Amino acid sequence: AQSVAQPEDQVNVAEGNPLTVKCTYSVSGNPYLFWYVQYPNRGLQFLLKYITGDNLVKGSYGFEAEFNKSQTSFHLKKPSALVSDSALYFCAVRGYNFNKFYFGSGTKLNVKP
Amino acid sequence: NAGVTQTPKFQVLKTGQSMTLQCAQDMNHEYMSWYRQDPGMGLRLIHYSVGAGITDQGEVPNGYNVSRSTTEDFPLRLLSAAPSQTSVYFCASSTQNSKTSGRAPTGDTQYFGPGTRLTVL
Repeated sequence: AQSVAQPEDQVNVAEGNPLTVKCTYSVSGNPYLFWYVQYPNRGLQFLLKYITGDNLVKGSYGFEAEFNKSQTSFHLKKPSALVSDSALYFCAVRGYNFNKFYFGSGTKLNVKP
Repeated sequence: NAGVTQTPKFQVLKTGQSMTLQCAQDMNHEYMSWYRQDPGMGLRLIHYSVGAGITDQGEVPNGYNVSRSTTEDFPLRLLSAAPSQTSVYFCASSTQNSKTSGRAPTGDTQYFGPGTRLTVL
């Protein structure tokens, strides 16, 4: 079965510090992994994706994610957090049935000045 | 391009009423989908479509119907609303390389609409 887990409901970080939002996945076959961000009262916006190739994927707004096949993880990272990064972050995987996407429960990122 | 649009933005229904949530995209995307978002549960796939005339069920299809008569539109119908259907609904679209099309998958990005907040009393 395909699934995604985001073990932290909330992550708090001070502005300027590095941030990590964790994601682990379970999927049959090669994974297609995504990160999306949701600002209040808005739809989800694409940040980055891993399809194949380099394990470190760079995305929008200075975010990057590291694919680790042995740990089945795809953690989202940013070297220096901004207050404006505060939002809800979702990890997603495209399943063996390529027509279906599975989302994690979301992690609320709070960046404090 | 307007992208993915959804109407209405807000809706309040009484139990047993029916309604249709509208979704349209102007990007000529083959794939369209409906999700519901509930606190602590992330997004769950309700139904999806890989092209006009083709629809299939997602994780939580019960109580919802869909049809896809055109590439642009993918309405979601609630035939008899229940309080358990109180949620925020998102429509999404992407280019699609599915097994049914015979093309190799590319992991295409989904584009989301702004959402419809539905309350069923």
